[in-house]
Amino acid sequence: SQQGEEDPQALSIQEGENATMNCSYKTSINNLQWYRQNSGRGLVHLILIRSNEREKHSGRLRVTLDTSKKSSSLLITASRAADTASYFCASIIQGAQKLVFGQGTRLTINP
Amino acid sequence: DVKVTQSSRYLVKRTGEKVFLECVQDMDHENMFWYRQDPGLGLRLIYFSYDVKMKEKGDIPEGYSVSREKKERFSLILESASTNQTSMYLCASSLYSTRDTQYFGPGTRLTVL
Repeated sequence: SQQGEEDPQALSIQEGENATMNCSYKTSINNLQWYRQNSGRGLVHLILIRSNEREKHSGRLRVTLDTSKKSSSLLITASRAADTASYFCASIIQGAQKLVFGQGTRLTINP
Repeated sequence: DVKVTQSSRYLVKRTGEKVFLECVQDMDHENMFWYRQDPGLGLRLIYFSYDVKMKEKGDIPEGYSVSREKKERFSLILESASTNQTSMYLCASSLYSTRDTQYFGPGTRLTVL
């Protein structure tokens, strides 16, 4: 079963706009991570947010975590064509040993 | 930088063949993972290893086995390849805990005819 589910499944915006992707999960977590995957390639880790954190920034990325709603969001500001990729959230269920990935959001940045 | 390499980017095999997918990491990571990725199904964990010669089943281990004889190398074995094993296979590693950030290889796209 999927622990994390991203929304939307696909997103297409103009270059320069902000992109927001959401992730919902079902059970309590230790941390939540976001990854990017360029077409046909491996995943690249973007950011990790722990269950006791509410917001984290890294460059143009901002991640929020709302444990009461069991949801997280990834905001990419001032998008660029190079941001075109699939974005995945992954979470560690409390007491479990492994990351569980969502199905991803396909982001397309139009020039 | 952590580097995770996979032996092939593309591989074509015939049904019934024994297939070896190799993964090597160069940062002395304790944990290594094998996933398969299919459209609409996301990433699914096949097996992982938290130490040399140690392995744990993931969510979909059927039809696969693994080997970790050395810390840096984790092999995925398809004993008798079938067409439903056509997929993208991704290897990953993490430093201390299986909960840590994972570093992924570029993937192997396997086609079984």
